[in-house]
Amino acid sequence: GAVVSQHPSRVICKSGTSVKIECRSLDFQATTMFWYRQFPKQSLMLMATSNEGSKATYEQGVEKDKFLINHASLTLSTLTVTSAHPEDSSFYICSAQYTSSVWDEQYFGPGTRLTVT
Amino acid sequence: KQEVTQIPAALSVPEGENLVLNCSFTDSAIYNLQWFRQDPGKGLTSLLLIQSSQREQTSGRLNASLDKSSGRSTLYIAASQPGDSATYLCAVTVGGMRFGAGTRLTVKP
Repeated sequence: GAVVSQHPSRVICKSGTSVKIECRSLDFQATTMFWYRQFPKQSLMLMATSNEGSKATYEQGVEKDKFLINHASLTLSTLTVTSAHPEDSSFYICSAQYTSSVWDEQYFGPGTRLTVT
Repeated sequence: KQEVTQIPAALSVPEGENLVLNCSFTDSAIYNLQWFRQDPGKGLTSLLLIQSSQREQTSGRLNASLDKSSGRSTLYIAASQPGDSATYLCAVTVGGMRFGAGTRLTVKP
């Protein structure tokens, strides 16, 4: 299957700093990528849809000025958590959408665990 | 708004038992439905993907069905093994994916 990578896999940062997470589709081009968040003992929640070359679409309740998304190429989307606070500590997972004439499927990255101290 | 519900929330069975996990969704306008496995502290492992036009998919000991009209899917695991212990997530695609809360499965030796 298609491979999606995330970097870093773990990050610890201090409150008030910003953190950038990268999501790459390694063997296919993805016009659309998605960002999800998973708090401990909870399921994944869609944060935003990232479209190459255009502004991201954020889900209700997700602050677009806090979670900056850039999808500058067909293989890379980045999520920047600005002015991070302890409540932003979570597991962030991206997915990249593979599209063909036969089917569409989202392939998920391995996730990034963010801890804000 | 699409809501995805999974029942039961947790399940503990002895090794070798066949089991069924249930998933329901409120809006039948889905593109596809996917079952995932998630081990503690890890990412997602895709198990089965069912397109909206399909009724079921099989992979090894796993079989997933989809009834779009009733908003239901089941994941059948045959001859369960301790290595099957994990959280199983159901998700429907409507643009992005909407996930259920998961079923935490424990298979005891």
